[in-house]
Order: sequence, then structure tokens, then C-alpha cells
Amino acid sequence: DSGVTQTPKHLITATGQRVTLRCSPRSGDLSVYWYQQSLDQGLQFLIQYYNGEERAKGNILERFSAQQFPDLHSELNLSSLELGDSALYFCASSVGVAEKLFFGSGTQLSVL
Amino acid sequence: TQLLEQSPQFLSIQEGENLTVYCNSSSVFSSLQWYRQEPGEGPVLLVTVVTGGEVKKLKRLTFQFGDARKDSSLHITAAQPGDTGLYLCAGPKNTGGFKTIFGAGTRLFVKA
Repeated sequence: DSGVTQTPKHLITATGQRVTLRCSPRSGDLSVYWYQQSLDQGLQFLIQYYNGEERAKGNILERFSAQQFPDLHSELNLSSLELGDSALYFCASSVGVAEKLFFGSGTQLSVL
Repeated sequence: TQLLEQSPQFLSIQEGENLTVYCNSSSVFSSLQWYRQEPGEGPVLLVTVVTGGEVKKLKRLTFQFGDARKDSSLHITAAQPGDTGLYLCAGPKNTGGFKTIFGAGTRLFVKA
């Protein structure tokens, strides 16, 4: 158990819908990262927050947004969903910035 | 184009065989990390290599960081079915913020 909690574990929805993925980092970790993993693209960095502030951005679509709350949990919002958004979404946390990452078990998103 | 290129993409071997997987880049990294991911789980950190030429051993796993800090290898001696998984290399990059990027991974299957 990495100590990082992601909910829900599975999510099935339809095109055009909006979903929210939730992540609770390990106790004491200030950084939260979101990654998308698909078979053809591998593990792609989306966005990182440190102590509530956005610190780094990857290839995150404009339809996607995230935030980190004062209690350090984070949410990833995906809207106007398309079939191609189907993937595993991982949250990871670390104490600081770009240190070793602890990953959650992921949310498997299926857009039908 | 991946900043971190991993090879081979897929490897299927018999229990007891030795194997080496590679992680290469045209860029210099201050450090590289190796993670292992099992189905349905997030990646788990195995090791971080920091110094050019560094060799680290973790039981039957030997990790090496290239002298120029552009490449790394993972050698497994006497592979066991429990070694089956996706092996990912990762490194920090400071472009658009400080982030950890991943290679596409080597999927290893060890047959009993």
C-alpha cells in the first residue's frame, strides 16, 4: 500500500459527460501529480501541484482541469469526454518536487 | 517522440534466464529512476541512480547509470515469475515546470 488513495477505481461514462477523479496523497506529502496511461501513449504527465499551487504542466487538454485543496487532496476534472479519453489515470505524491513518486492504484476510465 | 526510449518493448523469457533492459536518451538527466508496475496497480519505485557510472544492486536486480548520465540499464539475474511486470524508467525534466517523465516501458513476462 503506497498510502495514496484514488477514487473511484473504475468509472464508466458516455461521450460528452464530465467526471471528477479524486486523490488523497500520502500523509506529509505536499506534491500531487496526475498521469494518464494508455496502451499506445504510455505514462503521460498531465499536471503537478505543490502545496495548493500549480507547479508544472504537461500535455493536459483544455477540457481537463485540476486543483489541489487546502487539505492537500486533489481532483482532476475531465469534461466533454471523448472515446480517446479512455485510459488509466494515476495520481502520485511526493514530499517535495520531483522526488520519488508514490502512486495510487489508478482510476480506470471508460468512455462509451 | 519519447525523451526516454526503452528497449525492448516486450520480453518473454523462461524462469532462470538472465535479461537486460535499456533506457536511453539524447538528453542528460541529473538522475534516473526505475519503477515496476504490475497489472491493476500503480508503478512502484525500485531504485534511483544519481551519479554517472553508478551501479546499484537490489537482490537479483542490478541497475547502472551511464557515465554521461544519458542512459541506464536494468539487469535481472535468474528471472522468476514474480519479476513479471512493466519496467519503467523515469527522470526529472525542467521544461514548463519541474516534472518527472517516463519512458514507454519494457513489458517482461517470465514463464515458469
